[in-house]
Amino acid sequence: EDQVTQSPEALRLQEGESSSLNCSYTVSGLRGLFWYRQDPGKGPEFLFTLYSAGEEKEKERLKATLTKKESFLHITAPKPEDSATYLCAAGYNAGNMLTFGGGTRLMVKP
Amino acid sequence: GAVVSQHPSRVICKSGTSVKIECRSLDFQATTMFWYRQFPKQSLMLMATSNEGSKATYEQGVEKDKFLINHASLTLSTLTVTSAHPEDSSFYICSAGEENLATQYFGPGTRLTVL
Repeated sequence: EDQVTQSPEALRLQEGESSSLNCSYTVSGLRGLFWYRQDPGKGPEFLFTLYSAGEEKEKERLKATLTKKESFLHITAPKPEDSATYLCAAGYNAGNMLTFGGGTRLMVKP
Repeated sequence: GAVVSQHPSRVICKSGTSVKIECRSLDFQATTMFWYRQFPKQSLMLMATSNEGSKATYEQGVEKDKFLINHASLTLSTLTVTSAHPEDSSFYICSAGEENLATQYFGPGTRLTVL
């Protein structure tokens, strides 16, 4: 069964304290691993797509990496405005469907 | 990135009425659109996949007669919640992707409250 698991469920960081969010997946025929940011009361905002193991992508303080079993979202020197829920999703061969993880709620305190 | 809009952003209705939510892809054509439902502090749950010009494919447990989906054009899909009840209150989000690309772009969501 296709499954995506994110950990931790919640993460509290001090401003400037770097950390990583984990996304483990068991999906047959992976088309892509996606990271989104979601603020309360809003739709998910696209961050990254990773297609193959070893691939890395960066955007400001965020860096996403992918292996054959998991993906990491590294946050370097986070700021309070990075506080949000980060969702990962696996896209698989059945059309463009996505299987979402439960999300990680990140809180960065000044 | 691609832009997806939803309308309305918030709607409050009485029990028993029907509510229509629109999802538009503003700068690209989307042969497939997706409708999700999200409860507080939970992740997104796929309700249905909407294909332009054909019937929607509903996920297990989603009542197709209650959640009517129409994908009339390559840029517009609508979700109608028929005879809404308080338990239908939720955050509804649509997404769309360009053909042959796996990335989905999400709308801002619609908060439905049924009194």
